[in-house]
Amino acid sequence: DQQVKQNSPSLSVQEGRISILNCDYTNSMFDYFLWYKKYPAEGPTFLISISSIKDKNEDGRFTVFLNKSAKHLSLHIVPSQPGDSAVYFCAASAIRSGANSKLTFGKGITLSVRP
Amino acid sequence: GVTQSPTHLIKTRGQQVTLRCSSQSGHNTVSWYQQALGQGPQFIFQYYRKEENGRGNFPPRFSGLQFPNDSSELNVNALELDDSALYLCASSLGPLAGDTDTQYFGPGTRLTVL
Repeated sequence: DQQVKQNSPSLSVQEGRISILNCDYTNSMFDYFLWYKKYPAEGPTFLISISSIKDKNEDGRFTVFLNKSAKHLSLHIVPSQPGDSAVYFCAASAIRSGANSKLTFGKGITLSVRP
Repeated sequence: GVTQSPTHLIKTRGQQVTLRCSSQSGHNTVSWYQQALGQGPQFIFQYYRKEENGRGNFPPRFSGLQFPNDSSELNVNALELDDSALYLCASSLGPLAGDTDTQYFGPGTRLTVL
């Protein structure tokens, strides 16, 4: 039973345009959401996060939107750059209701930014 | 940052393996994840102040330790072919971070079981 779903395995975007990466979750106890970026042969790198008390968080070119009623979040990258090409993972934790901050991950989306 | 050793490891079925992790400075919580090919990382367990603080759906042959300097080990006994994966360690502030505990990952150890 996958609690965090990234239904599109890949996305290809032209350099300079917007990349929108989507993520859905089923567990209503999740209250903290994170996006990680991963290059081959490296560990995941933290990008941006959002608490369930917010609906938007912005950091430079990266913005995460959270729609709790739809159990959906999205990562917007504007403008997209070739160096953004990587696998992006959505992750969630139930910190307030759980004993720990364990992360539940989606399967990832491969983003390719074309020059 | 978070460091892990070794980078790569090849073992045979039935053997035992120990993977090591050094936390980011100031972090007292360590979590271990297994990432199979084409999948997202799966939570194995978390350690806080040298005690196991939660465990995922992994058998007891997966065990861990956290040391006074907050470094950690993951031990896997009786290796099986399906244990072949990338093993990731992540450190964080844990309960000190309140509701926004962000985990920072090391580069991982690639384990191959033949």
